[in-house]
Amino acid sequence: QVQLQESGPGLVKPSETLSLTCTVSGDSIGSYYWSWIRQPPGKGLEWIGFMHSRGSTKDNPSLKSRATMSVDTSKNQFSLKLSSVTAADTAVYYCARHLDVDTALDSFDYWGQGTLVTVSS
Amino acid sequence: DIQLTQSPSFLSASVGERVTITCRASQGISSYLAWYQQKPGKAPKLLIYSASTLQSGVPSRFSGSGSGTEFTLTINSLQPEDFATYYCQQLKSYPVTFGPGTKVDIK
Repeated sequence: QVQLQESGPGLVKPSETLSLTCTVSGDSIGSYYWSWIRQPPGKGLEWIGFMHSRGSTKDNPSLKSRATMSVDTSKNQFSLKLSSVTAADTAVYYCARHLDVDTALDSFDYWGQGTLVTVSS
Repeated sequence: DIQLTQSPSFLSASVGERVTITCRASQGISSYLAWYQQKPGKAPKLLIYSASTLQSGVPSRFSGSGSGTEFTLTINSLQPEDFATYYCQQLKSYPVTFGPGTKVDIK
């Protein structure tokens, strides 16, 4: 059974960098694309970006190049850094696996439970 | 970006009813559409992909249809565990976008 678990600080100060890690168990991180999605409290879902262990990444232009994604295959983890955060970045952040092997534009079949990150001084 | 709208944004229904939710895309997306169910405090759950393919393990009372710009999610015989918010998602082009959601509540 594939499981994803987000981890990272729950509180980040404005203008600082938000850092999250997603640890994958039950599957190798190597064959799939993996995405980050966020959801502000009481609002809808926003795709942040995806990455693949081969190094390809793509992020949502709405984030104005503030998102950086990376992978650590030795730990079966992938990470998100979001720079220059503001209160508007307060959200539950989810990591998720793409449905099909090696498919970038894809739906998400496995999700982490989500982690709330609050941006506040 | 491809914009998705959903209607209604909220609906109240009874157990056993048939429910239909519509998702419209701002431009044609062929069948590159997925549907998710989200319950409070939980991650979204994939129900339907490629507009009409039922994800493994999802009850057959859920079905999806449509192509191009108009899509529907139908729940036949609504069950108590189906009360949730439903989102559509387009996978035709970047950035991937989601609809604003439809909350299904108990009448």
